[in-house]
Amino acid sequence: QAQLVESGGGVVQPGRSLRLSCAASGFTFSSFALYWVRQAPGKGLEWVTVISSDGNTKNYADSVKGRFAISRDNSKNTLYLQMNSLRPEDTAVYFCVRDQFCNGGSCYDGMDVWGQGTMVTVSS
Amino acid sequence: QSALTQPASMSGSPGQSITISCTGTSYDVGGYNYVSWYQQHPGKAPKLIIYDVTNRPSGASNRFSGSKSGNTASLTISGLQAEDEADYYCSSYTTTKSVIFGGGTTLTVL
Repeated sequence: QAQLVESGGGVVQPGRSLRLSCAASGFTFSSFALYWVRQAPGKGLEWVTVISSDGNTKNYADSVKGRFAISRDNSKNTLYLQMNSLRPEDTAVYFCVRDQFCNGGSCYDGMDVWGQGTMVTVSS
Repeated sequence: QSALTQPASMSGSPGQSITISCTGTSYDVGGYNYVSWYQQHPGKAPKLIIYDVTNRPSGASNRFSGSKSGNTASLTISGLQAEDEADYYCSSYTTTKSVIFGGGTTLTVL
C-alpha cells in the first residue's frame, strides 16, 4: 500500500539549515502532487508547501517563502524540503503528504497518504 | 492569510450527532468545492475523512458527512462513538493556490 517515510529531522540552531527527505513506496510517485505540512507542539496543522507531479509548479506559505525550497526526484521516488535560515517558530513535526487525485494543477482533492512525521527543533 | 475558523472544542454523548463548522471567505471555502476534513488522534498523523466538500474516501466511516453553504463548511458526525474522540481539522484550497487549515476542533465524547 502507499507509504511515505520522512527522515532528516533533528535539533538545529537558529539561522542554520536542514534538509528533510521523504521516501515513497506503493504508488506511482510521479503522478501525484505532494505537500509538506507541519504541526508545532500542541498546535494545529499548517500547510507549508506544495509541488506538482512533474516538479515544475511549487508554492509556499508566506511564513517560509524565500527560506524553504521543495523539490522532488521522480526517479528516486523521493521528496525533499530544504530549510534555510531556520527560526524557533519553525519548530514542528513535518509531515510529507500526498494529494489524493490532484497532480498539481489548480485543485486540491484532500491529503490521503501521510508520513509518520519528522520532528524539527530549532533552538540554541 | 488567517486560518479558517472552527470552534475550539465540542462535546457530545454516545449516539448523538454533532456538527463542526468551518468558516472562511470567498477566497477559500466559498470560492471552491475543495474542502477537506481530517481526524487526528493524539500522537498520530491526520486521517482524511471528507474531501471535495461531501465525498468520503474509502475506509472512512459513513457516519461522517460534509456540506457547505456560502463561506461555511460543516462536518457532521452521526451516532457518536468513543473512538470519534479526536481533533478535527477542516481545510480548503485558496485563490493564492495554497491550502489553508482551520484551527482545529477537539471533540470530547462524554
